[in-house]
Amino acid sequence: DTEVTQTPKHLVMGMTNKKSLKCEQHMGHRAMYWYKQKAKKPPELMFVYSYEKLSINESVPSRFSPECPNSSLLNLHLHALQPEDSALYLCASSQWTSGRVSNEQFFGPGTRLTVL
Amino acid sequence: DQQVKQNSPSLSVQEGRISILNCDYTNSMFDYFLWYKKYPAEGPTFLISISSIKDKNEDGRFTVFLNKSAKHLSLHIVPSQPGDSAVYFCAASGGNFGNEKLTFGTGTRLTIIP
Repeated sequence: DTEVTQTPKHLVMGMTNKKSLKCEQHMGHRAMYWYKQKAKKPPELMFVYSYEKLSINESVPSRFSPECPNSSLLNLHLHALQPEDSALYLCASSQWTSGRVSNEQFFGPGTRLTVL
Repeated sequence: DQQVKQNSPSLSVQEGRISILNCDYTNSMFDYFLWYKKYPAEGPTFLISISSIKDKNEDGRFTVFLNKSAKHLSLHIVPSQPGDSAVYFCAASGGNFGNEKLTFGTGTRLTIIP
C-alpha cells in the first residue's frame, strides 16, 4: 500500500458545527503532516507529527485541533470554523531513515472544506 | 515573506519540446529541494528532488538543476507530453525545522499543446 487516503473528500459545515478530517497511511511512515491550501496558493504547513508526537504547530488557531492516535492515523478536529477557513486540507506522510525524517512527503488527495 | 518563488504563473509548451520551469529561493539555510506535480482535485505528487551538495539530478524525462550561488533551481522536462499538463510546485526544506517543514513556491501551471 503506497498511498495516503483522506476522508471525507468533501465537507460542508456551518460555523457552529464540530467535524473531523481523517488521514490514513500504511507505508510505515512515522511523520505525518496537515497542510492547508487556498485556491491558486501553495500548500501551507499547519502541523507535523513525528512518532505520534506533535513536533511543529505553525501558530494555527485553536479551532483546529490535530490528533495522532497511532502511527497510521492522523485526525484534524474542527470546531467553530470561519468562512475564511474554507480550503483544501491536505495530509502527507514521510518516513524516518537513519535518525532523520525524509524530505520526500507523500500527499493524500485532500478534503475540500466549505464553511458556511 | 515568500521564501520560495516561482515567477511564471503559467507556461505553454508544444508537445515534444522542452519545458523549463524555474524557481528561486531566498533562505540560504535550505539544503534540499523538491518538485511536485498537482492535478486538479488531487494532492501533490512527488516528481524529483536534489540535495544542495549536487547541481544536477536526472530521472527519465525529468532533470533538476541547482545553482546555489544564484539560489535558483529549474526543472527540465524533455520531451514534453500532454500528460505533463498540471501545476508544478517547487519546495525547499532545511534550516531550523530540518527536513520536517517544506516551504512551497506559488506554482506554475504548465500546459502542453498537442
